[in-house]
Amino acid sequence: SAVISQKPSRDICQRGTSLTIQCQVDSQVTMMFWYRQQPGQSLTLIATANQGSEATYESGFVIDKFPISRPNLTFSTLTVSNMSPEDSSIYLCSALFPGQGYEQYFGPGTRLTVT
Amino acid sequence: GDSVTQMEGPVTLSEEAFLTINCTYTATGYPSLFWYVQYPGEGLQLLLKATKADDKGSNKGFEATYRKETTSFHLEKGSVQVSDSAVYFCALSFGNEKLTFGTGTRLTIIP
Repeated sequence: SAVISQKPSRDICQRGTSLTIQCQVDSQVTMMFWYRQQPGQSLTLIATANQGSEATYESGFVIDKFPISRPNLTFSTLTVSNMSPEDSSIYLCSALFPGQGYEQYFGPGTRLTVT
Repeated sequence: GDSVTQMEGPVTLSEEAFLTINCTYTATGYPSLFWYVQYPGEGLQLLLKATKADDKGSNKGFEATYRKETTSFHLEKGSVQVSDSAVYFCALSFGNEKLTFGTGTRLTIIP
């Protein structure tokens, strides 16, 4: 398994502002993912973040709204820009471990509330 | 596209009861299958997995068998405890691609 940490664990933000979420993995990984979990719902992939390349976004998610950085093999950030109350969700990062049967391990999540 | 269908919840059981949470999938090809568990206020934890037909994943008393014929991966536990109360997600993936999740099943165990 792996230890994945996220910061902040929760935040309350005003609409129109931006929040950057950090994700740190305790070992080097090529592929990281960012998911959104809206209240009481399942998880939806926002984007895939590979080190050394641009993030790949899923349908319905755009770079201007959710810019992602992946500066090295253990770290990634997701920014939620120009927030609205509809962005209130839990945001989770995950890391893929091909050597362990392509298992994905998740961080504890960032609970975002936009007022 | 690929999809995962889970048993509707919530599910409430008494302690020591037998648990089954149904999961079926639709996919082109043979994905890897996973069960994740989310305890209140926490992130997702990988509970078990199976990567090919007839594989059985097991962990913490939970089991699930990859059934290609019925495209299913049902989660079972013989005797549940109060500490098993959580939301359980069935998911599939192909190699280094994203996880596709089911809707989740909320399980509550009463003493």
